[in-house]
Amino acid sequence: AIRMTQSPSSLSASTGDRVTITCRASQGISTYLAWYQQKPGKAPKLLIYAASALQSGVPSRFSGSGSGTDFTLSISSLQSEDFASYYCQHYYSYPWTFGQGTKVEIK
Amino acid sequence: EVQLVESGGGSVQPGGSLRLSCAASGFTFSTHWMSWVRQAPVRGLEWVANINPGGSDKRYVDSVRGRFTISRDSAKNSLSLQMDSLRAEDTAVYYCARVTQYYDSNGYHYYFDYWGQGTLVTVSS
Repeated sequence: AIRMTQSPSSLSASTGDRVTITCRASQGISTYLAWYQQKPGKAPKLLIYAASALQSGVPSRFSGSGSGTDFTLSISSLQSEDFASYYCQHYYSYPWTFGQGTKVEIK
Repeated sequence: EVQLVESGGGSVQPGGSLRLSCAASGFTFSTHWMSWVRQAPVRGLEWVANINPGGSDKRYVDSVRGRFTISRDSAKNSLSLQMDSLRAEDTAVYYCARVTQYYDSNGYHYYFDYWGQGTLVTVSS
């Protein structure tokens, strides 16, 4: 199975900060990657698919990039509603797997 | 409005069985792959199973293959997960998720664009 490794596992940031989360695949996955946001007690919400395509309705401050094994999710100016956990997930081959998550906390 | 509503969770002893259901509405159920994804407190998000629109192609994570069975009823817009021989490590919130396809120059992309609210399964003696 392809392993997805996110870094950092957690970070503290302030409103207005630029935040970058990285995700590394254990083997090349082209652009077959999605990013999700999850708030406590809620289901995950799709942010990005195909590594860089913004899901409809998601604010443009979110962006994704990367191809092959290295990917990033960026939030250009952190808002209060962005404090949450973020997960990457590949769909290159079965089994589809998720990263362990990155928790974005208020500094 | 797309809605996915899970039901059937609960507490069960190791070795027992449980059947989860997901009622889908607000979209053409028969044209989408559907999935079950679970989240255990310690192990994070884990994809469990997929089923194609026609119900003939089913995929499972190794840890549940042979114990769990995914199925769908397009007449009832319903997705199910039959879980047998349950283990403590199956304890998790189980989410039903819609899979949407997107095609670009790299090929077909599949992603979970809608999720249910989740149903908790607890396996304990």
